[in-house]
Amino acid sequence: KAGVTQTPRYLIKTRGQQVTLSCSPISGHRSVSWYQQTPGQGLQFLFEYFSETQRNKGNFPGRFSGRQFSNSRSEMNVSTLELGDSALYLCASNPSGGRASNEQFFGPGTRLTVL
Amino acid sequence: DQQVKQNSPSLSVQEGRISILNCDYTNSMFDYFLWYKKYPAEGPTFLISISSIKDKNEDGRFTVFLNKSAKHLSLHIVPSQPGDSAVYFCAASADDYKLSFGAGTTVTVRA
Repeated sequence: KAGVTQTPRYLIKTRGQQVTLSCSPISGHRSVSWYQQTPGQGLQFLFEYFSETQRNKGNFPGRFSGRQFSNSRSEMNVSTLELGDSALYLCASNPSGGRASNEQFFGPGTRLTVL
Repeated sequence: DQQVKQNSPSLSVQEGRISILNCDYTNSMFDYFLWYKKYPAEGPTFLISISSIKDKNEDGRFTVFLNKSAKHLSLHIVPSQPGDSAVYFCAASADDYKLSFGAGTTVTVRA
């Protein structure tokens, strides 16, 4: 079974631009979560989707948005990029769609650099 | 507001000895706790978990201990092996479809 895939793996943008990241969960997984990892901050929760519905959202500004498609693939978008948005963005899928206590499977991440 | 804290950013241990990683949390609603391991250029991988109804869970060389009254958990790795060198994240969950992570502890196992 293929793991969680994220595209692109690396991305360089300039301030003010917008970016879209993509995540394909493990086949059969219906829950997709997004996290931002920065040095010293660990992983910060962005949002979680299940069956195309956002069920929870972290404390990020409205510039960060996401969506999930009927095939469970998910995208996240960051508009008006700032230098502080430089981070590793991780996507995770959950097999049951239940609460996050179930094991989450992470993709390799997209490394975003904002210049 | 960091609800899960790993106060030791790094840990160096000799091969064959015990590694002890610590984690503290502040949210009393957390009832499930997990440890993840992360190698460079890879996503975190699940290591071991514990429910709040237990105080210990063991899986091979890995044991997680939970002290609810102190809001503290720890991960013991015995014996430590070179392949254990990685970043370890503590995570906690309430009934809200998300995980709250600590900042991570980088473990280096010396030969």
